[in-house]
Amino acid sequence: RKEVEQDPGPFNVPEGATVAFNCTYSNSASQSFFWYRQDCRKEPKLLMSVYSSGNEDGRFTAQLNRASQYISLLIRDSKLSDSATYLCVMDSSYKLIFGSGTRLLVRP
Amino acid sequence: GAVVSQHPSWVICKSGTSVKIECRSLDFQATTMFWYRQFPKQSLMLMATSNEGSKATYEQGVEKDKFLINHASLTLSTLTVTSAHPEDSSFYICSARVAGEATDTQYFGPGTRLTVL
Repeated sequence: RKEVEQDPGPFNVPEGATVAFNCTYSNSASQSFFWYRQDCRKEPKLLMSVYSSGNEDGRFTAQLNRASQYISLLIRDSKLSDSATYLCVMDSSYKLIFGSGTRLLVRP
Repeated sequence: GAVVSQHPSWVICKSGTSVKIECRSLDFQATTMFWYRQFPKQSLMLMATSNEGSKATYEQGVEKDKFLINHASLTLSTLTVTSAHPEDSSFYICSARVAGEATDTQYFGPGTRLTVL
């Protein structure tokens, strides 16, 4: 079983739509989780950290459910520029473990 | 934010040659650097953790004699792919972290795309 699992997608949504991604992890001892965004042929960039209490940054909301060992990312009012691959990331002893990513395509 | 550079950004080489990739932290000192590899449509896989002044720690399944890592200063780590073969073709990305800072202050380089013919 992979340490971090994501639905590869792609999610194809119209502009303005709300879209949600889920991710499950296997290491219950992990303390820190993140969502990264990766554009084609580019390095990943930190989108946001994920805390147990949940956190929001503009149109993006991240949630952590430790009991079920999954995290989620909600994107509201999708923009064309949101098209990218979203990587679920778990911190394991200061090493980042990446999921394979969920691809999002936002169409006009 | 902090900047990490990689050189070269892309390289094409013949099978059997060695390729060196540099990772530099431009405006901060990085006590720890990480090297990742990403194959098409796959996740980033950590290859090794490089600490300044000491030997790198390799992840399971990564050959240390094939992927030589040197972290001679607080701003430079190098990865040398020795005797490269077509299966080594991949996107190699480094990241740098400052000691004492949270994991989410790990700064990524722009990556190096290696193609071995």
